[in-house]
Amino acid sequence: SAVISQKPSRDICQRGTSLTIQCQVDSQVTMMFWYRQQPGQSLTLIATANQGSEATYESGFVIDKFPISRPNLTFSTLTVSNMSPEDSSIYLCSVEDSGGLNTIYFGEGSWLTVV
Amino acid sequence: AQKVTQAQTEISVVEKEDVTLDCVYETRDTTYYLFWYKQPPSGELVFLIRRNSFDEQNEISGRYSWNFQKSTSSFNFTITASQVVDSAVYFCALSEMDSSYKLIFGSGTRLLVRP
Repeated sequence: SAVISQKPSRDICQRGTSLTIQCQVDSQVTMMFWYRQQPGQSLTLIATANQGSEATYESGFVIDKFPISRPNLTFSTLTVSNMSPEDSSIYLCSVEDSGGLNTIYFGEGSWLTVV
Repeated sequence: AQKVTQAQTEISVVEKEDVTLDCVYETRDTTYYLFWYKQPPSGELVFLIRRNSFDEQNEISGRYSWNFQKSTSSFNFTITASQVVDSAVYFCALSEMDSSYKLIFGSGTRLLVRP
């Protein structure tokens, strides 16, 4: 299975600032995704990170707020811009492991608290 | 439209009891995948199982078993002889073949196993 590393694991951020979360995978993967989990809630897909092209955003999420980069098949970043307390969440990177099993794995998550 | 329902918000059992977590899904697709994930307090999402819509065989893995019934659109998860380490939030999720592996999550069931 793919091994996914996220940085930072936790951070406390000031209102109005931006933070970039990194996701590194130990193998090349086609599909990478970013999810958000607000406190006590389920997971919601923010966007699909496409290698070599712009990310595909889900309804309710926009590029200006959550810019995403995908420079290669093993790495992606998600930036949370102009943060407010409502952005306090766990942000999780996930990949589709196409090594024959089509299983979807998740990173450890990045816990952001905005104060 | 696709939807996943986990009606049990929280379940509390005593160690060694068996417990079943319910999952009901809705989809118009004939080809889809169902997943279960475990989220311990540390926050990471641990993959437990993936099942495709053409495979209705029940599966057992140690103390874990899964019952997939297309007739009732259910994919229930049973933990036999529960242990304190099983305490976590468990998520059921659906991915339709045409959705490029995007996951639709249920709201999660919090399982508390008391010693």
